[in-house]
Amino acid sequence: GENVEQHPSTLSVQEGDSAVIKCTYSDSASNYFPWYKQELGKRPQLIIDIRSNVGEKKDQRIAVTLNKTAKHFSLHITETQPEDSAVYFCAAGDTGFQKLVFGTGTRLLVSP
Amino acid sequence: DARVTQTPRDKVTEMGQEVTMRCQPILGHNTVFWYRQTMMQGLELLAYFRNRAPLDDSGMPKDRFSAEMPDATLATLKIQPSEPRDSAVYFCASARGGDRQETQYFGPGTRLLVL
Repeated sequence: GENVEQHPSTLSVQEGDSAVIKCTYSDSASNYFPWYKQELGKRPQLIIDIRSNVGEKKDQRIAVTLNKTAKHFSLHITETQPEDSAVYFCAAGDTGFQKLVFGTGTRLLVSP
Repeated sequence: DARVTQTPRDKVTEMGQEVTMRCQPILGHNTVFWYRQTMMQGLELLAYFRNRAPLDDSGMPKDRFSAEMPDATLATLKIQPSEPRDSAVYFCASARGGDRQETQYFGPGTRLLVL
């Protein structure tokens, strides 16, 4: 089955810096890669996703890149703000089974 | 703004008691997922349904857990008997389902504490 590894487990940055979170997956059949943000005590919420037919996707300060050959994908947050502090989860899934396998999460702390 | 709803939001019970958690998926979504979140194990998929039929429940301890969809607007997750190690946050998520992966929308979760 699919296995998703996520690094780092914690990340501390200063406000205005960039943050990068990396994930690797094992199943070459995976073709859908969402990123979820979970604030303390809240539900995970989708912030961006990418499908295997593109290599990069951007949405304002957030971008995701995908390298299918190396089976890894990354989340990039630029100009970080204190409200970006949360736990971020990557996931991988495929069209056939429609289920997601999640990474172990990255706790991002943005200090003012 | 349609959202997945879950009840109860918090549940404290004693070991050996039955626990039932309920989920109402977003109207029109035909795929429902149950996840368990703990500090040690992260987000684990317990079971999921498509058009009310169970597709995969391999993540669920079968001897004490059961999941059902009595109708398209209600999914239930039961634990009987409950044990302290079941203490976790249980999330339900729903998705439109189709030819490709669709976004999963999570409910607010049920925080379960088994004493």
